[in-house]
Amino acid sequence: QVQLQESGPGLVEPSETLSLTCTVSGDSVSSDTSYWSWIRQPPGRGLEWIGYIFHTGSSNYNASLSSRVTISLDTSKNQFSLTLSAVTAADTAVYFCARDRMGATFDHWGQGTLVTVSS
Amino acid sequence: QSALAQPASVSGSPGQSITISCAGSSSDLGVYDYVSWYQQHPGKAPKLMIYRVGDRPSGVSTRFSGSKSGNTASLTISGLQPEDEADYYCTSYTSSSAFYVFGTGTKVTVL
Repeated sequence: QVQLQESGPGLVEPSETLSLTCTVSGDSVSSDTSYWSWIRQPPGRGLEWIGYIFHTGSSNYNASLSSRVTISLDTSKNQFSLTLSAVTAADTAVYFCARDRMGATFDHWGQGTLVTVSS
Repeated sequence: QSALAQPASVSGSPGQSITISCAGSSSDLGVYDYVSWYQQHPGKAPKLMIYRVGDRPSGVSTRFSGSKSGNTASLTISGLQPEDEADYYCTSYTSSSAFYVFGTGTKVTVL
């Protein structure tokens, strides 16, 4: 059974860097049939895709965030991570990690973690 | 890249059928069959209900079905049940810089 679990600080100060990790079980981040995505949802609002990484290390980001986003893999720990720099209050959201079987097919999700940007 | 357009709310009585629309453009729904639908209950992660326009993952009720015509995709829920009350989001691959775009979301209310 595939499971994903987000972890990281729940509070980040403005202009600092947000860092989250997603730990995967039941599948391998080294799989060549899965892409590993981050998706966020501001409180009371809709979903926004942030980006994904493939086992080769290749990644793709939403252009609206690409200048501030990096997604990386740690195959030894079966994890992938998100960093988002220069955060503002607009980055306050629940952040989800998800497995993408390509074509916007997010078939497994983490429970989500709320990150608040505030001083 | 603008979000795909969905009605803010749709309601129906138990047993009825409802349809949620998802309007896109020639950059997304009009050219790609990578359309998925997600159900989200309050405080929970989204759940995949439909992928590749009309395919259902294992375990998803056959009461849920998807289709697409031109730039618009649709999710139909037949035999509406109280547990279907949730938010629903469509998503698509897009050739724009966003890569994947989500819909604005639809709140389904079971009367």
